[in-house]
Amino acid sequence: QVHLVESGGGVVQPGRSLRLSCAASDSTFSPYAMHWVRQAPGKGLEWVALISSDGNSQYYADSVKGRFTISRDNSKSTLYLQIHSLRTEDTAIYYCARGYTSAYNWGQGTLVTVSS
Amino acid sequence: QSALTQPASVSGSPGQSITISCTGTSSDVGGYNYVSWYQQHPGKAPKLMIYDVSNRPSGVSNRFSGSKSGNTASLTISGLQAEDEADYFCSSHTSTSCLVFGTGTKITVL
Repeated sequence: QVHLVESGGGVVQPGRSLRLSCAASDSTFSPYAMHWVRQAPGKGLEWVALISSDGNSQYYADSVKGRFTISRDNSKSTLYLQIHSLRTEDTAIYYCARGYTSAYNWGQGTLVTVSS
Repeated sequence: QSALTQPASVSGSPGQSITISCTGTSSDVGGYNYVSWYQQHPGKAPKLMIYDVSNRPSGVSNRFSGSKSGNTASLTISGLQAEDEADYFCSSHTSTSCLVFGTGTKITVL
């Protein structure tokens, strides 16, 4: 079973940018679409973005469209999420997950805290 | 992209069966057989329990089952056990190729 490890989280000031990474242990990373999902403290799950297996198609939640960019490097088995103009409401644990119509495998998450 | 509607909490005694509902629209739950259910224990990542309405991934107990009727999907846990106490979320593929999650249900084992 694929093992996903997120990194790049931390405490960031409002308005700044951040890039999250999700490294897959499995060499079969490239055939699969990938999601980013976030969870604000004490809240439910919120789908953020999806990228196709070849990276040519991206889809975003309305709440992040225009500020977040999902991308992937299949040669490195790594998924990315570039976040611009961070807001306090972006504070959450960010999970990467493998799948398209579902989120089959999840990483352990990386915490992003937006605070001045 | 409105969240799917789930009851905030459901409780049951050990050995009982409980059912959680997940209500959406014809653009998500009702339009596709792509409803999934996830279990999340405190401080842990979500775990897939059911996919494509009623399929269980390898290793998931057969006490967990899923179904769908119209715009509402359901997760049933039979033979409730203490370890089943957790938050449960549904998700559905949508007409815009997105994923939408439910509001979440806290299961309490009495």
